Amino acid sequence: TQLLEQSPQFLSIQEGENLTVYCNSSSVFSSLQWYRQEPGEGPVLLVTVVTGGEVKKLKRLTFQFGDARKDSSLHITAAQPGDTGLYLCAGGETSGSRLTFGEGTQLTVNP
Amino acid sequence: EAQVTQNPRYLITVTGKKLTVTCSQNMNHEYMSWYRQDPGLGLRQIYYSMNVEVTDKGDVPEGYKVSRKEKRNFPLILESPSPNQTSLYFCASQRTGISSYNEQFFGPGTRLTVL
Repeated sequence: TQLLEQSPQFLSIQEGENLTVYCNSSSVFSSLQWYRQEPGEGPVLLVTVVTGGEVKKLKRLTFQFGDARKDSSLHITAAQPGDTGLYLCAGGETSGSRLTFGEGTQLTVNP
Repeated sequence: EAQVTQNPRYLITVTGKKLTVTCSQNMNHEYMSWYRQDPGLGLRQIYYSMNVEVTDKGDVPEGYKVSRKEKRNFPLILESPSPNQTSLYFCASQRTGISSYNEQFFGPGTRLTVL
């Protein structure tokens, strides 16, 4: 089973600060996704990266896939309270449809 | 609206009383999956189904059953629930094929408590 390690597990910051969440593995993934989950709801897909070195931007969120397709990062610029939630990375296997999830990073942005 | 629905959203039951959690998707997705989410353990896959009548075990299948008689429905069955199955359960679906990139759509979750 492929494993994904996320860090940090918990992050509490003030509004306006920047932050980076990391997702690392010793395995190669064909694709990597980031989801956000709010209390009482299911995870919602934010972005998918598939090419080594790929960078995608979603407003204040920047996602990067490592050159070797083993790791990824999520950077949030000028965090806002609305960014509060559980951020999950998930790696897609090279064959089949299964996803391996990281344990998640619980982000709290204080006003 | 494209969605995955689960019922019930909340359930409190007692040890040994059989229960079924329903899951339905309206996106004509071939692949469906069940996960449980526990603090410190993240999302763990219970069972998945690549298509109708095709199901397979995930990482934590013990104590669970599934069936896939129709493409849109994928119920999760606990024949004899035990307290260690108290958890938050999510159903998910996705397209299959090269361009799907394993992108999954999740239901709203079912919070199960087994006393």
